[in-house]
Amino acid sequence: NAGVTQTPKFRVLKTGQSMTLLCAQDMNHEYMYWYRQDPGMGLRLIHYSVGEGTTAKGEVPDGYNVSRLKKQNFLLGLESAAPSQTSVYFCASNLQGANTGELFFGEGSRLTVL
Amino acid sequence: GNSVTQMEGPVTLSEEAFLTINCTYTATGYPSLFWYVQYPGEGLQLLLKATKADDKGSNKGFEATYRKETTSFHLEKGSVQVSDSAVYFCALTPNQAGTALIFGKGTTLSVSS
Repeated sequence: NAGVTQTPKFRVLKTGQSMTLLCAQDMNHEYMYWYRQDPGMGLRLIHYSVGEGTTAKGEVPDGYNVSRLKKQNFLLGLESAAPSQTSVYFCASNLQGANTGELFFGEGSRLTVL
Repeated sequence: GNSVTQMEGPVTLSEEAFLTINCTYTATGYPSLFWYVQYPGEGLQLLLKATKADDKGSNKGFEATYRKETTSFHLEKGSVQVSDSAVYFCALTPNQAGTALIFGKGTTLSVSS
């Protein structure tokens, strides 16, 4: 009963390094989302996807790229990490879009950029 | 634009106390409203939702009523438990296909025995 799985769960990067966060869901959901969570800021949407092969920008997309080559996977990339990208990243998915039902969240990935 | 404003925490209560966490929203049209809960070290989980005015969402003893006239969706529970200690997020989504959730900043609840 995996649900939404994020890897890695923890990562420390140096400024300028690149990395990719992987989100995988086994619920055949169409919609997938990447959020970041920062103290006092709540959750802010980075990018989202409404289906395989599609992506769209959210509230805070700068410095991130995403890809949805397979329906079950949604990748978040940082090409050149900056300390401002230190955060906890959450992936979420749902079947028909946020207006119709529950979002299912992963457990989060804590990223520290030194 | 669309936004959600929650009361700032932390909220500290004794077990069996009454809980209210205020949430107001700004939105065009008729949004759906949600409360999500995040327990320590975990992702968010849906607690309850309401999709139209005057709807009441309820779950695990928590309730919230969608008040269009006051643009509010306050979370209440009559008797909190230590296990309710968590961060609570109010959220909305415009009722349009393909849109994402917009979250408030979260309110931390700490319940002591």
